[in-house]
Amino acid sequence: NAGVTQTPKFQVLKTGQSMTLQCAQDMNHNSMYWYRQDPGMGLRLIYYSASEGTTDKGEVPNGYNVSRLNKREFSLRLESAAPSQTSVYFCASSYLLSGRATDTQYFGPGTRLTVL
Amino acid sequence: EDKVVQSPLSLVVHEGDTVTLNCSYEVTNFRSLLWYKQEKKAPTFLFMLTSSGIEKKSGRLSSILDKKELFSILNITATQTGDSAIYLCAVLRGSQGNLIFGKGTKLSVKP
Repeated sequence: NAGVTQTPKFQVLKTGQSMTLQCAQDMNHNSMYWYRQDPGMGLRLIYYSASEGTTDKGEVPNGYNVSRLNKREFSLRLESAAPSQTSVYFCASSYLLSGRATDTQYFGPGTRLTVL
Repeated sequence: EDKVVQSPLSLVVHEGDTVTLNCSYEVTNFRSLLWYKQEKKAPTFLFMLTSSGIEKKSGRLSSILDKKELFSILNITATQTGDSAIYLCAVLRGSQGNLIFGKGTKLSVKP
C-alpha cells in the first residue's frame, strides 16, 4: 500500500516547454487534488476531481490542464511552462461519501519544478 | 473571499516550552478544520475538527475549534526538537472536499 505517489520528484524545464506530472493513489479514494506550494503562500488548489470523469478549477488554474485518467490516476499538464510556475506541486486524495468529504486528504511526496 | 489566517508566521522556542498556534477563518460552507504538520516533504495529517468545544488530543498535541468565534488553536506541550516543522491549518469547504490553507506557522525548537 503506497498511498499517493507522484512522478517525477524533480524537474527542470526551460520556458515554453511542456510536461505532465503524474499522480496515482491506491487507497480507493474517489476524489483527487493538485496543489502548488510557494514560499510564504501556503498550499493553493490548482484543480480537483471530485469523482472519476469530472474535473473542476481551483484557486489558481491558469496555465494548467488536468486529466482524470481513471479512478487511481490524476495528471497535471503544463502546456507552455513559465518561470512563475516554479513551485512544489502536491497531489492529494480523499474519499467523498454522498457528496460530503468525510476524510482527510492524503498527500503525495511532491514534485519540485523549476522553470528557467 | 474565503480565507484562513495563521499566527504567528514563525516561532522559536526552547525544548520543554509549551506553544500555542492560532488559526482563524472566514469560509462559506464550512465543513471542518484540519491541522497538518509539514517537515521536509508532504503535509501529514494531525487533526480534523468538526464540532466546537471538543478537544482532540494525540500525545503532546491537542487542538480545539470554536465555530462561533471562527478559530482553532493547536497546542504542543513539552516541545522537542522533532516538533520543528511548518504547521498548516486548512478548512474543508463545500461538498466536494476543497481545502483552503493558511500560510502556515514555522516552528523551530532549539535544544
